[in-house]
Amino acid sequence: KAGVTQTPRYLIKTRGQQVTLSCSPISGHRSVSWYQQTPGQGLQFLFEYFSETQRNKGNFPGRFSGRQFSNSRSEMNVSTLELGDSALYLCASSSPSTGDNEQFFGPGTRLTVL
Amino acid sequence: TQLLEQSPQFLSIQEGENLTVYCNSSSVFSSLQWYRQEPGEGPVLLVTVVTGGEVKKLKRLTFQFGDARKDSSLHITAAQTGDTGLYLCAGRDTGRRALTFGSGTRLQVQP
Repeated sequence: KAGVTQTPRYLIKTRGQQVTLSCSPISGHRSVSWYQQTPGQGLQFLFEYFSETQRNKGNFPGRFSGRQFSNSRSEMNVSTLELGDSALYLCASSSPSTGDNEQFFGPGTRLTVL
Repeated sequence: TQLLEQSPQFLSIQEGENLTVYCNSSSVFSSLQWYRQEPGEGPVLLVTVVTGGEVKKLKRLTFQFGDARKDSSLHITAAQTGDTGLYLCAGRDTGRRALTFGSGTRLQVQP
């Protein structure tokens, strides 16, 4: 079974631009969560989607948004990029069959904002 | 806001040594997980503990959940170079689905 895939793996943008990151969960997984990982703040929860609906949201500004498609693939968008948005963005999927208890992470997208 | 503090932040040891990593919070968690993350990859789940006082063993790794479900520890016996990585604890509150991650412990095992 293929793991969680994220594209692109690396991205360089400049301040003020916007960016869209993509995540394909493990086949059969319907829950997708997004996290931001930085050296200073560690791993922080952004939001979770289940069946195309946002089920939970972290404490990030409205510039961070996401969506999920009917095939469970998910995208997250960051508008008006700031230098502080430079981070590794991780996507994780889980399955109701395990109570959504085990999250399987993708390799992440490393975003650099110049 | 629930916080999980991990200690130590960095640990460099020789192969064959033992070590313990701690994860502490003032909040109660319904379950606590430990992950290991290697460079260029996402975190990989090692274990989930759900009962206060629970101890789980995974080969040379021993995980313990505190009686009050506020803290946890990870003990590695006879560390190997393959144990090198970032160890993260993550707690889940009964009322929230999201995981709260600790700040991480970066372990370097020297040959």
